[in-house]
Amino acid sequence: GNSVTQMEGPVTLSEEAFLTINCTYTATGYPSLFWYVQYPGEGLQLLLKATKADDKGSNKGFEATYRKETTSFHLEKGSVQVSDSAVYFCAGGEAQKLVFGQGTRLTINP
Amino acid sequence: DAEITQSPRHKITETGRQVTLACHQTWNHNNMFWYRQDLGHGLRLIHYSYGVHDTNKGEVSDGYSVSRSNTEDLPLTLESAASSQTSVYFCASSSGLAPNEQFFGPGTRLTVL
Repeated sequence: GNSVTQMEGPVTLSEEAFLTINCTYTATGYPSLFWYVQYPGEGLQLLLKATKADDKGSNKGFEATYRKETTSFHLEKGSVQVSDSAVYFCAGGEAQKLVFGQGTRLTINP
Repeated sequence: DAEITQSPRHKITETGRQVTLACHQTWNHNNMFWYRQDLGHGLRLIHYSYGVHDTNKGEVSDGYSVSRSNTEDLPLTLESAASSQTSVYFCASSSGLAPNEQFFGPGTRLTVL
């Protein structure tokens, strides 16, 4: 079956640092890939998505590129802010169901 | 604005009791999902529905049931609550159109004593 593996946390960075959170997927076909963000006490919100190989999703300064050759969808941001502190989930799905990674808790210190 | 709501937001119950968590969406989405979130496990799918009167088991369905009598609601029932079901529960919905983005509710924190 399909599975998603993402970088374990927690991750702690200083403000303005560069961020990478790794995500790799295993699938029999060609899933759509997503990054969701969860702020404290809230549900998950879609951060960005990509539906096919070489697509780049971007939002709020975050980017991720769908790499078919490495089956990866790593999340990056060039300069993080304190407000980016949250839990980030990578997810993938070929039909209507999604499979989620275990989540990475990110803390940004001022 | 369309939304997805869950109630209650917090619930404390005792082992062996039946508990029902509500999920209501005004997106008019065909697909609805229930997940539980636990430390170290991310989100795990409990049950899902692709339309009225359709229900399907997810990877952790034991001890849970759902019914879909209309488009807007997918209540989740714990038949006989167990301490292992202490968790945060999220409901989500999607339209069924590619690329299957899901919209999440705010969650229900359930504690089983």
